[in-house]
Amino acid sequence: DAGVIQSPRHEVTEMGQEVTLRCKPISGHDYLFWYRQTMMRGLELLIYFNNNVPIDDSGMPEDRFSAKMPNASFSTLKIQPSEPRDSAVYFCASSRWTVRETQYFGPGTRLLVL
Amino acid sequence: QQPVQSPQAVILREGEDAVINCSSSKALYSVHWYRQKHGEAPVFLMILLKGGEQKGHEKISASFNEKKQQSSLYLTASQLSYSGTYFCGTENQGGKLIFGQGTELSVKP
Repeated sequence: DAGVIQSPRHEVTEMGQEVTLRCKPISGHDYLFWYRQTMMRGLELLIYFNNNVPIDDSGMPEDRFSAKMPNASFSTLKIQPSEPRDSAVYFCASSRWTVRETQYFGPGTRLLVL
Repeated sequence: QQPVQSPQAVILREGEDAVINCSSSKALYSVHWYRQKHGEAPVFLMILLKGGEQKGHEKISASFNEKKQQSSLYLTASQLSYSGTYFCGTENQGGKLIFGQGTELSVKP
C-alpha cells in the first residue's frame, strides 16, 4: 500500500492568501485525522472524520480553518485567510475501524506563512 | 487535557536503558506510543488498552496502569536507531487521542 499521501509537501505563502492542504488516506481506512505540529503546542488534533463525516472539530482553531472529506479517498484542510501563526507542519493520518487502532501518518505538509 | 510526559529530554549511551512516563489527569481508555524522527512523520510503536497490560516490541516495551492513569515506555539496551521524539497519546472518554509534548531521546555511540 502507498501509505497516506499528502500534498503539497511544502507550501510558502503570504499572509492573507488561501491555503489548501490535501490528503489521501490508506484505502479501506474509515477514520481520517488532521493534526498540526508546532514547537510551542506540540501535536494537536484539529478534526477527525469517520466514513467521511466530521466527528469532532473542536480542535479547529478558528473559522479561518475548514476541512472536508467529499469521499473516502480524499480530504482537504483549508485556511482562509492564512496568518503567520498558522505556520506549522500539518499531518494527515488514517486508521482502519476505530480511534483505538493504529494511526498511520502521512509525511506532512510544511506550511510557512510570511 | 494534554497528558504530561517526563522527562522532556534524555541522553543515553548505546546499550543503556531509559524509561519515559506519561500521566493523565483523566481516566484513560487506551494509551498509544509513537516515535518521530527529525523531519519525519510519527510512527506507531504500540497501543495499550484498559486492563493494565504490558506490551513489547523488540527491546521496547510499555505498561499501562489505569488506576494511576499512567503509562511508561521502557527502552532497553538502546540503539542509535532509537533516537527521536517519543509521544504518548491518551484516549479519554471523548474517544480521540490527545498527544503529550514529547520526550526527546538521543542515543550516542
